[in-house]
Formats: sequence, C-alpha cells, structure tokens
Amino acid sequence: RKEVEQDPGPFNVPEGATVAFNCTYSNSASQSFFWYRQDCRKEPKLLMSVYSSGNEDGRFTAQLNRASQYISLLIRDSKLSDSATYLCVWGNNFNKFYFGSGTKLNVKP
Amino acid sequence: NAGVTQTPKFQVLKTGQSMTLQCAQDMNHNSMYWYRQDPGMGLRLIYYSASEGTTDKGEVPNGYNVSRLNKREFSLRLESAAPSQTSVYFCASRFSGQSEQFFGPGTRLTVL
Repeated sequence: RKEVEQDPGPFNVPEGATVAFNCTYSNSASQSFFWYRQDCRKEPKLLMSVYSSGNEDGRFTAQLNRASQYISLLIRDSKLSDSATYLCVWGNNFNKFYFGSGTKLNVKP
Repeated sequence: NAGVTQTPKFQVLKTGQSMTLQCAQDMNHNSMYWYRQDPGMGLRLIYYSASEGTTDKGEVPNGYNVSRLNKREFSLRLESAAPSQTSVYFCASRFSGQSEQFFGPGTRLTVL
C-alpha cells in the first residue's frame, strides 16, 4: 500500500470555480502534513502546512482528519495561475517525508 | 542567495556507466535530501542527511550512494547506471525542526 494516495485527476475547472482535493495517508504515526505545488517540469514548492485545527491562506484552505487519515485542500475562486500539480506530503519524527503522486489541476478560461 | 543548486541539469548515460549528481545549498540548512520522481509515482526518498557527517537510507536506496561532503554539499552517486534509474532527481534541504523543504531545479537523467 502506498504511504500517500491521491486522485491523479486531472481536475478541469473553469476560472472562478471552487475545487477540492483529498489525500489519504496510511501511517497513523504521521506527524506533519503539507501541500506542495509543482509546475510542469519544475521543482516542488511549499504551498502550505496543514494544522490539526485546519488553516487558511487566502483562497486556500487545508484540513486534517486524523481519525480518517486524510487531508484536504480547497481552492476557492480558481485562477488560471493555479493550474499545476498539487502534492500531498506527510512527515514523521525522523526526518523522512512521503509524497503522494500528485493531483493535476487545469483551470480553464 | 542561490538557494539549492544542482548539476548537471541533464545527463544521458549508457548502462553500466557511473556518475555523481551534485547538490549545494547556501541557506545554512542542517538536513539535505535526494529524491527521484518518476511519472505517476510522486517523489520517493533515496537518501537523506540529517546533519553534516550523517546519512541514512530512504525508501529506494538500492543502486545509489551518497556523500555529505560538508554542511553545504550533498552528492548522489550511481556506480553502475541501469535503465530503471532513468528519472528526475531532486535535491532538497531544510532547517531541522522546521517543516519546509527547499528544492533544487532537478537533474533529468536518462540511462540507455
């Protein structure tokens, strides 16, 4: 079983739409959670950390559900520039990080 | 600051050849990482170094060796390249105790 599972998409949405991605993780001892963004043929960059109480950064909202072992990312008012692949990541206490295979988002005009 | 730099950007090898991928960071980070990214597989950890002088295996260490030369530099060596090692290789670094990893631009390696 993969450590992190994501729907690969692609999610094709019009500008202004709200879109949500989920990600499940297998290890209940996971300590930290993140969403990274990766543009085509570029390196991943941190979008936001995910906190137990949920957190928001502008149009982006992240949620963590430890009981069901999933995290989610909600993007409101999608922009063309949001088109990218979104990677779900969890980390343990021992410097190791596990990446999902990513969910591809295409925002259309 | 250059952040995390990787060389080379592209490389083509023949099966059995060896090479070293170089990574350097100028952010005074303690921890450094090597990942590979294959289509549909996400990033998988090859090796990491929590601090200068230490290295540990990740998920997919077979066929690779690493050296943490100093605090700035962390190299990845393929002793005898195989077609299964065709991939994009990313180096990353972070401060221990902080969450964010900073990635280099990647090395695109093809093994024929």
